[in-house]
Amino acid sequence: AQSVTQLDSQVPVFEEAPVELRCNYSSSVSVYLFWYVQYPNQGLQLLLKYLSGSTLVESINGFEAEFNKSQTSFHLRKPSVHISDTAEYFCAVSGSNDYKLSFGAGTTVTVRA
Amino acid sequence: EAGVAQSPRYKIIEKRQSVAFWCNPISGHATLYWYQQILGQGPKLLIQFQNNGVVDDSQLPKDRFSAERLKGVDSTLKIQPAKLEDSAVYLCASSLDGGSQETQYFGPGTRLLVL
Repeated sequence: AQSVTQLDSQVPVFEEAPVELRCNYSSSVSVYLFWYVQYPNQGLQLLLKYLSGSTLVESINGFEAEFNKSQTSFHLRKPSVHISDTAEYFCAVSGSNDYKLSFGAGTTVTVRA
Repeated sequence: EAGVAQSPRYKIIEKRQSVAFWCNPISGHATLYWYQQILGQGPKLLIQFQNNGVVDDSQLPKDRFSAERLKGVDSTLKIQPAKLEDSAVYLCASSLDGGSQETQYFGPGTRLLVL
């Protein structure tokens, strides 16, 4: 079985500042990694995912995450945040032989002007 | 394309009462999931359907929770009788065919408060 640890429960950040959300996973098999985002009063939606190939994956709204197998991490970064990035971010993992998606506890990002 | 629909959005009940939640997945999606999200935690899978069959219900408290997906389309999750610790957001999600690489599409959730 897989598990995920999100190291920060709350991250306050000023507008136009960079942000990094940390995610570490545990698995005995190859994994697929996901970041989902939940904006206020909305359902979870996929932000980006790593399946294979290039270890750096990007989203359409400027976020990127890097898969680091040796450190079992999949940290999410954005070089300059907007007020609209205020949301809860969930890291999730599934195993190559296991359809089940395991979520971390989430990181709440609050962007202030 | 319509997203995953859930109803009701909010529900308040007293302990020992029963409650039911409804979910309509994205058209054409064979796999449907019910998750429980307790405040401060990530979503936890309760049950996964592939068409109208159960793939995984290992974390469903079967003494009080039940779910069905008749005709392989929409689904109902029921709690009877409810306990205080069932207060949570119940999320429904769907995906094309349930592969571990697939994106899951989530509904807005039903927020349940048990008093």
